[in-house]
Amino acid sequence: DADVTQTPRNRITKTGKRIMLECSQTKGHDRMYWYRQDPGLGLRLIYYSFDVKDINKGEISDGYSVSRQAQAKFSLSLESAIPNQTALYFCATSDLKLAGGETQYFGPGTRLLVL
Amino acid sequence: AQSVTQPDIHITVSEGASLELRCNYSYGATPYLFWYVQSPGQGLQLLLKYFSGDTLVQGIKGFEAEFKRSQSSFNLRKPSVHWSDAAEYFCAVGANDYKLSFGAGTTVTVRA
Repeated sequence: DADVTQTPRNRITKTGKRIMLECSQTKGHDRMYWYRQDPGLGLRLIYYSFDVKDINKGEISDGYSVSRQAQAKFSLSLESAIPNQTALYFCATSDLKLAGGETQYFGPGTRLLVL
Repeated sequence: AQSVTQPDIHITVSEGASLELRCNYSYGATPYLFWYVQSPGQGLQLLLKYFSGDTLVQGIKGFEAEFKRSQSSFNLRKPSVHWSDAAEYFCAVGANDYKLSFGAGTTVTVRA
């Protein structure tokens, strides 16, 4: 089984709808991240969480919110989806306690299309 | 804040030929440097990383990268490319706050 899983893998939604993307990990890592990938822009950080009680905004958090339900679960919500949120979304994890704690491990991604 | 530049958007290479992907970073202190690969329809897989020590780093799939502080570079190389190396490659730099900044990526096409 994959260490970092994302659901759904693909989603089509309409403008104005609320949508949640979910991320689960079995790696036992404390830190979790949400990124979006757009062609020609690489990956940009949306939100990150260093533990269950610690949530931080990334460089492009507007229009998004997150919830860290447990150490293993980190959800990303689009409160009112808009077409320019169409992108590939990645969840990642890392663990400061490990040597090379900055190494992030990525899920398979969720492809979101907002019509 | 740290940043990464990957000057080449797209590279085409013949199977069996060598490959070099360029990465330049901007960061005031010693950075943590990474190369990730994204195959079509897949997530990101870590190829290699540099934290300290030997500036020539070996990774998976026959890749290596060299950290050159004087040039602020961390270029990725492979001596002989296989068709399965066709993918998008991302360079990333990490700072002490454990956030990563990614370059825009380089797409590699392998021709027979």
